[in-house]
Amino acid sequence: QLQLQESGPGLVKPSETLSLICSVSGGSISSSGYYWDWLRQTPGKGLDWLGSLHSSGSTDFHPSVKSRITISADTSKNLFSLKLRSVTAADTAMYFCARHTSVGATTERGGAEYFDHWGQGTLVTVSS
Amino acid sequence: SSELTQESAVSVALGQTVSITCQGDSLRSFYASWFLHKPGQAPITVIYGKNKRPSGIPDRFSGSNSGNTASLTIMGAQAEDEADYYCTCRDSSGRRLLLFGGGTKVTVL
Repeated sequence: QLQLQESGPGLVKPSETLSLICSVSGGSISSSGYYWDWLRQTPGKGLDWLGSLHSSGSTDFHPSVKSRITISADTSKNLFSLKLRSVTAADTAMYFCARHTSVGATTERGGAEYFDHWGQGTLVTVSS
Repeated sequence: SSELTQESAVSVALGQTVSITCQGDSLRSFYASWFLHKPGQAPITVIYGKNKRPSGIPDRFSGSNSGNTASLTIMGAQAEDEADYYCTCRDSSGRRLLLFGGGTKVTVL
């Protein structure tokens, strides 16, 4: 059974870099056809997708964080990581890592983004 | 538009049926996925694609698609179905990104 676990500092100072790791067990991060994602939920609000790293090595990011974000993988350790630079209090959130794949395309529509595994989430507070 | 719009909150009596919707132009081109999220827990996908349920998801959950709208229906809602529900799909405007709805709080009375 694939499991994902987030880890990293729970407190980051404003203007510094938020760094989180998602450790993957029970399966390989190199498996083809999958996207490895970072999402967050800010207090009292909904989930926001931050970005994805595809098994091919390509990355996609939400426009709101595109200038500040890096998502990369360490295949030797079977993990992927998030770096978010120049953080502010607005980056205070519960951060989740997840895996998804695009499935179920028909002649009517393109495939759905199926999130099949999630981490439990880790709370990061940005404060001095 | 590159947004997905959901109702902010709905309520349903125990054992009754409730439907929530997700609207957006990208849903004309791509299927949605739906997942539920309870406080302190990892989200769980309940429906993806053309009404597909992951293993372990009860058959009281179903999905449908029409035009720019995706719908999630819970037939015979149970207390454990109380959660925030989100829809997501790929953006069809040419940008390589995923769209998420703002979430619907489902309360089971």
